[in-house]
Amino acid sequence: LAKTTQPISMDSYEGQEVNITCSHNNIATNDYITWYQQFPSQGPRFIIQGYKTKVTNEVASLFIPADRKSSTLSLPRVSLSDTAVYYCLVGPGSGNTGKLIFGQGTTLQVKP
Amino acid sequence: EAGVVQSPRYKIIEKKQPVAFWCNPISGHNTLYWYRQNLGQGPELLIRYENEEAVDDSQLPKDRFSAERLKGVDSTLKIQPAELGDSAVYLCASSLITDTQYFGPGTRLTVL
Repeated sequence: LAKTTQPISMDSYEGQEVNITCSHNNIATNDYITWYQQFPSQGPRFIIQGYKTKVTNEVASLFIPADRKSSTLSLPRVSLSDTAVYYCLVGPGSGNTGKLIFGQGTTLQVKP
Repeated sequence: EAGVVQSPRYKIIEKKQPVAFWCNPISGHNTLYWYRQNLGQGPELLIRYENEEAVDDSQLPKDRFSAERLKGVDSTLKIQPAELGDSAVYLCASSLITDTQYFGPGTRLTVL
């Protein structure tokens, strides 16, 4: 099983770049890495997904080293509204067998 | 485009009573997931459907939990009888084959 490990919490200030790292030493060949954001009383919201190297979209970047045993979510210039819990998910694509496992989540607190 | 719809949003029941949750996935999404999220924890997969077939139900407590996805669209998750430890948020998600999961707002269950 591709278990994931993340820091429990992080603090930052508005305007700073935030990097959250997830460890997944037992990642399988067909596993993708996906990050979600969750606000209180809401379901998780997709942020970004990758398989290897670097992926960037309008809200974040995802860095995955060659061995794929870890990944780093990078949030540029965070604002107060980025205060949330961030989850790292490792799992296969649909149609494949295997477990979909969420990490413990990292609570990001952005301060003014 | 409408997102994943869940009902009810909140449910309070006495222990030993039955309860059911309903989910309507995003139109065209063939994969549907049910998760349980305990307070302060990441979502835990209960069951995953590919169309109408349950392809992963290994985490579903089958002595009291059941689920169905008739016609491969809407899904219902049932608990009978409910126990105190079942108090949690029950999340439904759906996806296409890319495995980007889109979550509903969840149903918060309180068992008294």
